[in-house]
Amino acid sequence: GNSVTQMEGPVTLSEEAFLTINCTYTATGYPSLFWYVQYPGEGLQLLLKATKADDKGSNKGFEATYRKETTSFHLEKGSVQVSDSAVYFCALSTASGTYKYIFGTGTRLKVLA
Amino acid sequence: GAVVSQHPSRVICKSGTSVKIECRSLDFQATTMFWYRQFPKQSLMLMATSNEGSKATYEQGVEKDKFLINHASLTLSTLTVTSAHPEDSSFYICSAKTGGADTQYFGPGTRLTVL
Repeated sequence: GNSVTQMEGPVTLSEEAFLTINCTYTATGYPSLFWYVQYPGEGLQLLLKATKADDKGSNKGFEATYRKETTSFHLEKGSVQVSDSAVYFCALSTASGTYKYIFGTGTRLKVLA
Repeated sequence: GAVVSQHPSRVICKSGTSVKIECRSLDFQATTMFWYRQFPKQSLMLMATSNEGSKATYEQGVEKDKFLINHASLTLSTLTVTSAHPEDSSFYICSAKTGGADTQYFGPGTRLTVL
């Protein structure tokens, strides 16, 4: 079946450090892949997405590349800010039907000034 | 664009009462809406999928008589928690998408506390 595995958190970084949050997936067919961010007490905001192999999604300095050969969609940012502190969710969208999401467990990021 | 609202943002109710949560797509037609439940520091658990004008499809283990979902228009879905109990206390989040699209847009969530 379909599944998403994210690295365990929390991740604590100093401001301006490099960020990587690992995400790997198992899926039949060709899913779309997403990263969402959730700030405390709020819903999820779409951060970026990729719909096919080798696509790179990017937004607000974050980027992730859809790697079919390694079934991965790792999130990266070159220089994090305190305001990036949040929970990050990797998700895949089933390739047919209602396009339900399969979410990873979420990774909490804390950036220290 | 692609804004989804939820109302109320917080609700406190007594055990045994019913609570209705509204989810609206403000600038697009949502043919499909999803309802999720999130426990503290955990991921989202899909409760049900609703398509406009038809009955919701519930995930395994979700009581359809307890969590009533209505999706009567292309911009509004409601979740009613009937005869709420303290164990129903949670953060409820809806999302919406247009037909054929793969991207869901999420509401800000509703914090339900049952006393």
